[in-house]
Parts: sequence; structure tokens; C-alpha cells
Amino acid sequence: DVKVTQSSRYLVKRTGEKVFLECVQDMDHENMFWYRQDPGLGLRLIYFSYDVKMKEKGDIPEGYSVSREKKERFSLILESASTNQTSMYLCASSLPLTGAEQYFGPGTRLTVT
Amino acid sequence: TQLLEQSPQFLSIQEGENLTVYCNSSSVFSSLQWYRQEPGEGPVLLVTVVTGGEVKKLKRLTFQFGDARKDSSLHITAAQPGDTGLYLCAGAGLTNAGKSTFGDGTTLTVKP
Repeated sequence: DVKVTQSSRYLVKRTGEKVFLECVQDMDHENMFWYRQDPGLGLRLIYFSYDVKMKEKGDIPEGYSVSREKKERFSLILESASTNQTSMYLCASSLPLTGAEQYFGPGTRLTVT
Repeated sequence: TQLLEQSPQFLSIQEGENLTVYCNSSSVFSSLQWYRQEPGEGPVLLVTVVTGGEVKKLKRLTFQFGDARKDSSLHITAAQPGDTGLYLCAGAGLTNAGKSTFGDGTTLTVKP
């Protein structure tokens, strides 16, 4: 059974803190994604990684960075959390094919106070 | 930037009714996917359509890809409370291998 896991389901952080969101997939997928999901705005791509140590900015990368040191693990970093980064964060993985199915983790609901 | 517009944004119906949700774009997609997301969970793939005019059925759900591969529809027959959720369409561009553009979603509530 394919699986994408995220380190936390719920997280509460203070403004200015450095926040790490971890994602692990067990399907040996080359592609991994970080999205944020907000009501009325759908899924917006933050960063995309197509191989170890390779990354590409998505539509809203400002205020975020990523790390992919191993194929199965993709981390999202908020260098200095702000209240406007309160959101649901979803990680996904897929094969490197156009139109490939994306497998999603359960999401991390981050609240920044 | 390729955009996908979904309509309606919200839909609340009674059990047993039929419904259709739409996913439209001005861009051509190589394929289009429909996902369903339940509260507190990540989206799960329902179907992928690839060929213009293609129709796929999944029990009471019928998916259609437009002839020009710019739009798609999802029709649910005799909706049940278990169909409640957020329905997302996602289009894969002609050249960007692996990435997809997601629509804003349709939130469906089926009342018993």
C-alpha cells in the first residue's frame, strides 16, 4: 500500500520561529511537491523537487525553502514563520511522467500565532 | 500560467439527486485528473482522462474530457452522503512533466 506521511497533523508555532515540515514517501518516486491549501484558493504549489538535491520554485515560494537530501524525504522550511503562513500544508509525490497521479499525505494544519 | 476554474464552488443537495460539476480552462491539457478530498485528509485520485471526448465511469460517477482537452465534467447519479467532500480537478500541461495545475475545488454536501 503506497504511503506518504507527514511529520505532524497539527502544529502551533509563534511568529518568527523557524518551522520544519517533514514528508516521507515509500514509493521510490522521483517527484515530490509541497502545496498549501486555503479556503477559496485551492492547492497552490510552493516548491517542486524532481530529484535528490534538485528543486524548482512553484507559484508561491516566498517565505519558504526546501531540502531534499534523500529521495524519500522532502522538507519544507519556514525560515521565520508569519501569521499569513497559517494554512494546511500538503505533501505529494509522483512518478516523473506528464499527468502522473500524485499521492498525497494527510496534511499538516499549521497555525502561527 | 495555466488556470482551471471549477464551478460551482459549493453545492448542497439531498440524497438521491443528480449533480454535475465543471472544470474549465482556456489552456489545452495533456491529461486531466479528478481528486476527492475528505475533511482532514489529503486528496485521493478518482480518475485520469487523457483523450479528447473520453468518458469514464466509476460506479455512479461519470467523467468526461472535452473534445479540445480544455474542460471536463463530473456527473454523479443518485448522490449519497458518502459522496460528500471536496472535488478537485488537476490538469497536466503539455510540456511540464510531473507538475499539475489544480482548480479551486467544488465542495459537495449530500444531506440524508
